[in-house]
Amino acid sequence: DQQVKQNSPSLSVQEGRISILNCDYTNSMFDYFLWYKKYPAEGPTFLISISSIKDKNEDGRFTVFLNKSAKHLSLHIVPSQPGDSAVYFCAASNTGSTLGRLYFGRGTQLTVWP
Amino acid sequence: DAMVIQNPRYQVTQFGKPVTLSCSQTLNHNVMYWYQQKSSQAPKLLFHYYDKDFNNEADTPDNFQSRRPNTSFCFLDIRSPGLGDAAMYLCATSRDIRAGAQTQYFGPGTRLLVL
Repeated sequence: DQQVKQNSPSLSVQEGRISILNCDYTNSMFDYFLWYKKYPAEGPTFLISISSIKDKNEDGRFTVFLNKSAKHLSLHIVPSQPGDSAVYFCAASNTGSTLGRLYFGRGTQLTVWP
Repeated sequence: DAMVIQNPRYQVTQFGKPVTLSCSQTLNHNVMYWYQQKSSQAPKLLFHYYDKDFNNEADTPDNFQSRRPNTSFCFLDIRSPGLGDAAMYLCATSRDIRAGAQTQYFGPGTRLLVL
């Protein structure tokens, strides 16, 4: 049972525009959320995270928004650059759990074209 | 500076022939994880070590074993690889499993091909 869902397998955006990647989760115990970026033939790279006590976290061009009532988070990239083309994974965890387990979505392939 | 290192990057093995994948880390993190990722799927957690404590996921086949001889190294042993075990194997570390320290850092992965 997929507890973290990324319903868009791909997204194509023009350079300079905003990219919005979406993620939904089902487990109300999740309280820590992360985004990872993955290039082909490489491991996922940590991008940005957000705790459930916040509804927004910003780091440069990357902003993550959390809507707890809707169990939804999104990653905004502004402005998008061709180097942002990669697969983006959303992940979630329950920090109260003793296992420290991350639950991943299937990923969204972002393509930024010039 | 490499922080989570996986060797080899590509591994070819024969059906049924045991294979070992290795992972090392320079972060001095307490927790090390092994994931299996197949194309267009989410990484699937196989097991993890919290220090020396081994935690196996319920659906991880017995064919998969792991060893952590010290803080820096962790190995994934596949005793009798089948064609269905061909995948990318990712090693990750985190400082701890407790709140505030759960961010996981991944290695580049080992692509396993089973002939």
